[in-house]
Amino acid sequence: NAGVTQTPKFQVLKTGQSMTLQCAQDMNHNSMYWYRQDPGMGLRLIYYSASEGTTDKGEVPNGYNVSRLNKREFSLRLESAAPSQTSVYFCASSANRVPGEKLFFGSGTQLSVL
Amino acid sequence: SQQGEEDPQALSIQEGENATMNCSYKTSINNLQWYRQNSGRGLVHLILIRSNEREKHSGRLRVTLDTSKKSSSLLITASRAADTASYFCATDGNAGNMLTFGGGTRLMVKP
Repeated sequence: NAGVTQTPKFQVLKTGQSMTLQCAQDMNHNSMYWYRQDPGMGLRLIYYSASEGTTDKGEVPNGYNVSRLNKREFSLRLESAAPSQTSVYFCASSANRVPGEKLFFGSGTQLSVL
Repeated sequence: SQQGEEDPQALSIQEGENATMNCSYKTSINNLQWYRQNSGRGLVHLILIRSNEREKHSGRLRVTLDTSKKSSSLLITASRAADTASYFCATDGNAGNMLTFGGGTRLMVKP
């Protein structure tokens, strides 16, 4: 049982380049999330998808787009990468988006933008 | 903006000792969760405590919640080297029921 799988694990981009981070879950969860983690900042929510077919902005959505491709997959796209987007990105899922639901996380993507 | 703030930011103890981490938050919550993150890995859910609960146990973990002080504590008893990790509190209760994470406590347990 893989849980939440993210690809790639590492990526180096030049300023202005674009890329897509992929995330898939095999737990039949309805809700999926993208977070970024910066030193000393905890995790900040970028975008989430409460259910298939819906996406909403989180706390720090600027510079990102997302696609809920189907129930399993939720991708995060950087259209024009900036050094401020250097971070570790985590995808997570939960059965639903209701209070008290626990999140299941992928192992992260370490992104460096030069 | 961060809802939860963990204290201390870093903690170093010997194996067998107890480790206590604290979390303070700013606004009313429905629930508070604690997560562990091993180096280079994603977060793993440890325990959830609801706003109407004051204490909860799970194995060597004990969580308390004081809603009047807007604070929670995580106690790990008889710590082991394998407990070395970062620990995060996360709260919900805002308008969008978003789970908001604190900055974490880095725990090192020396063998």
